[in-house]
Amino acid sequence: DGGITQSPKYLFRKEGQNVTLSCEQNLNHDAMYWYRQDPGQGLRLIYYSQIVNDFQKGDIAEGYSVSREKKESFPLTVTSAQKNPTAFYLCASRELAGVNNEQFFGPGTRLTVL
Amino acid sequence: QKEVEQNSGPLSVPEGAIASLNCTYSDRVSQSFFWYRQYSGKSPELIMSIYSNGDKEDGRFTAQLNKASQYVSLLIRDSQPSDSATYLCAVKRDSGAGSYQLTFGKGTKLSVIP
Repeated sequence: DGGITQSPKYLFRKEGQNVTLSCEQNLNHDAMYWYRQDPGQGLRLIYYSQIVNDFQKGDIAEGYSVSREKKESFPLTVTSAQKNPTAFYLCASRELAGVNNEQFFGPGTRLTVL
Repeated sequence: QKEVEQNSGPLSVPEGAIASLNCTYSDRVSQSFFWYRQYSGKSPELIMSIYSNGDKEDGRFTAQLNKASQYVSLLIRDSQPSDSATYLCAVKRDSGAGSYQLTFGKGTKLSVIP
């Protein structure tokens, strides 16, 4: 059963804590992405990675960190430096070969800061 | 900053009618365009992609692209209550070395009235 999984589905964090969101895919996709969505807003790119051990900042990387130690995994850490972390976090992936391969999304993690 | 603009709606149409969703973009060199459907509380799912000027049909969905006017639209024929969702327009922007990112609009909320 191929797909993208994200865990946990819901996450509650106290102010000042770091939390890590999991994203795993078994689609053999090279590229992986992290987006943030706020209510009534579109998706904004946080980080993306095309190959293992390499990743690039997106439009809103401040307060976030990522790693790509394995092709199938791209975890996102929301650090205490992120001023307003409450949001819906979406992971996506796509094949790298081909010019227009579409991005597919995981089910998302909803993070709430208490 | 490259922008993608959508009317936030809500757009209300009666069941069986044609729903027309519109999107404009600012980056004239954009080549690839995507429509995602997002149900409330869920992640986006890809429903259409279009790369060439003109129309592209897939079942009840038709995407229309006019690069000269920097305009892309999605038509939904015979609208059903199950089509009620937020529709996100996304525009590809190349990042070099075979990489690309998507810039998303804020989405149009569609409500199909039985």
